[in-house]
Amino acid sequence: QKEVEQNSGPLSVPEGAIASLNCTYSDRGSQSFFWYRQYSGKSPELIMSIYSNGDKEDGRFTAQLNKASQYVSLLIRDSQPSDSATYLCAVNSGGYQKVTFGTGTKLQVIP
Amino acid sequence: DAGVIQSPRHEVTEMGQEVTLRCKPISGHDYLFWYRQTMMRGLELLIYFNNNVPIDDSGMPEDRFSAKMPNASFSTLKIQPSEPRDSAVYFCASSFIFSHPGTGAPNYGYTFGSGTRLTVV
Repeated sequence: QKEVEQNSGPLSVPEGAIASLNCTYSDRGSQSFFWYRQYSGKSPELIMSIYSNGDKEDGRFTAQLNKASQYVSLLIRDSQPSDSATYLCAVNSGGYQKVTFGTGTKLQVIP
Repeated sequence: DAGVIQSPRHEVTEMGQEVTLRCKPISGHDYLFWYRQTMMRGLELLIYFNNNVPIDDSGMPEDRFSAKMPNASFSTLKIQPSEPRDSAVYFCASSFIFSHPGTGAPNYGYTFGSGTRLTVV
């Protein structure tokens, strides 16, 4: 079992819709959870971090964490074509600074 | 701040040659990470340093790979000898850590450099 699992996609949504990206992780001791966005040919960019169960909102982005189910999600409201990218879920494991990345979900926002 | 600076941006080398990748972290960040990204395996942590000391190198694929951090502003990742299967994008990232004020959980996030695209032919 992979430590961090994501559906590779592509996930296609129309412009203005809500995009829902999901991630599961295997280490029950994980405390820190992150979402990174990576445009093609570019480096990953941190967009959200979450540490407690529940929801965390930042602009059009909402991260959701359920530690009991070992599940993290990212919602993108009012999706824009500029949101088209690969979204990487990352989880700390084996130490505070040791972060494991999922392989990413490719999001396509259709104008 | 200029961010995390990596060089070179692209490297094409022949099998068997030595390759050295370079990284300058963000000033004040006390953690530095080397990752490798491929289509098949995604982002893999190779090694990370805290205050210039290697903490975990369990991700280094084999003895052909070595990394150093002689001071707080510079790190290198060396591959000797290089092989075609080493072709990938190599990212350097840096961060600092502090406790989340509400939960006490470690609060941090990486800043990645632009990466080095390595092609070994």
